[in-house]
Formats: sequence, C-alpha cells, structure tokens
Amino acid sequence: AQSVAQPEDQVNVAEGNPLTVKCTYSVSGNPYLFWYVQYPNRGLQFLLKYITGDNLVKGSYGFEAEFNKSQTSFHLKKPSALVSDSALYFCAVRDNRAGGFKTIFGAGTRLFVKA
Amino acid sequence: DAGVIQSPRHEVTEMGQEVTLRCKPISGHDYLFWYRQTMMRGLELLIYFNNNVPIDDSGMPEDRFSAKMPNASFSTLKIQPSEPRDSAVYFCASTITGGGAQTQYFGPGTRLLVL
Repeated sequence: AQSVAQPEDQVNVAEGNPLTVKCTYSVSGNPYLFWYVQYPNRGLQFLLKYITGDNLVKGSYGFEAEFNKSQTSFHLKKPSALVSDSALYFCAVRDNRAGGFKTIFGAGTRLFVKA
Repeated sequence: DAGVIQSPRHEVTEMGQEVTLRCKPISGHDYLFWYRQTMMRGLELLIYFNNNVPIDDSGMPEDRFSAKMPNASFSTLKIQPSEPRDSAVYFCASTITGGGAQTQYFGPGTRLLVL
C-alpha cells in the first residue's frame, strides 16, 4: 500500500534562512510525488511535482524538492525563507501503476517563518 | 478560468439533517475528487470520478455519505443524516489526464459544522 510520512508537525525558521520540510514515501511502483501548500481558509495549491527525470525539481515561489530513491524521500527546500511562506505544507504520493489517480496526502507540516 | 467552485462555503446544520455540498470542476477536467480535512485525520480522499463515473469510493466513511456526478460540470456530496463527527472542511478538486499533468486543482472548501 502506498503511504507518505511527514515526520515534523511544525518547522520554525527565521526569515532569510534556508528551510527544509521533510517527506518520505512508500509505494510499490514508481512514484509520482507532489508538494502542495495551504494558506488559512484556502484550498490546497500545487507547488511542484516529480514524475521522472532530474531528481531536483523546481517549483513555484522559489521552492524546490529533491527526489532520493534510495532514501525514499522527497524533501521540500527553499534557500531563503520569507514570512509569507508561513503555511501548511502537504507532501503527496501517487502510485503510477495501472493508471490509477488515487493520491495519498501526508498529515501536513506547519511552517512558521519568523521575521 | 474561475477555478474549482464549491458551494456553500460555510454550512451549519443540526444533527440528523441532510447536507448537500456542491462542486463545479474546472472546465475540461475529466477527474473530480472529494476530500475531507479534519485536525484529527488530516486530508482524506473520500471518492473520485473519471468522466462522471465513480472510480474509487473506498474512502467514503459509511452509507450516510453519497456522491454523484450527473454531468461533467457538476458534482454533489450528500450526508444524510448528518452527525457532529461529520464536521470538517470538505474539498473538491479536479484534474485532467494526458500530458503528464496530474496536478490537482482544489476548490476553496466547504466548512461544515454539525451541531
């Protein structure tokens, strides 16, 4: 069965410092991996995805994520955090076998960026 | 495009009443998803449709929940009778197959409170 884990409920970082939000996954086939962000009282918004190819994926708002197959990880990173990055971040995985579209979301990690 | 539209945005009802949540996906999208978000359980996939046909309803909690998609531009999620434990934010999302674009586009959500 596919699953995704976000080991940190909350990440605190000072503005201007690099940030990392961790994600590990478990899936039988080759994974499709996603990061979404949720601002208060809003729906989830897509940040970036890994389907195939280069292990380093660049996405919206200066975020990037690195796919590591051996560690089954897909950590979200940003070189310099902004206060406006404070939000709830979700990692998600989809098993791309058999064309299924069921996507499993992690529990979410709340990011606080302090000015 | 207006994005995924959900109505109502907020719903307060009493236990035992019927609740109907509505969703209009992005025009041209052929997949529609219903999710439920709570603090305790995170983001759960309830059901998803492809070309108006339910594909996976394994996440529907019980028979009190039902979902329909009578046409490509409209879906409903009905709870009858509602219970306090159904209180949550319900999200609708849509996506389109082909081109590797499996990104899901989320609506703003319906915040349901069952008293």
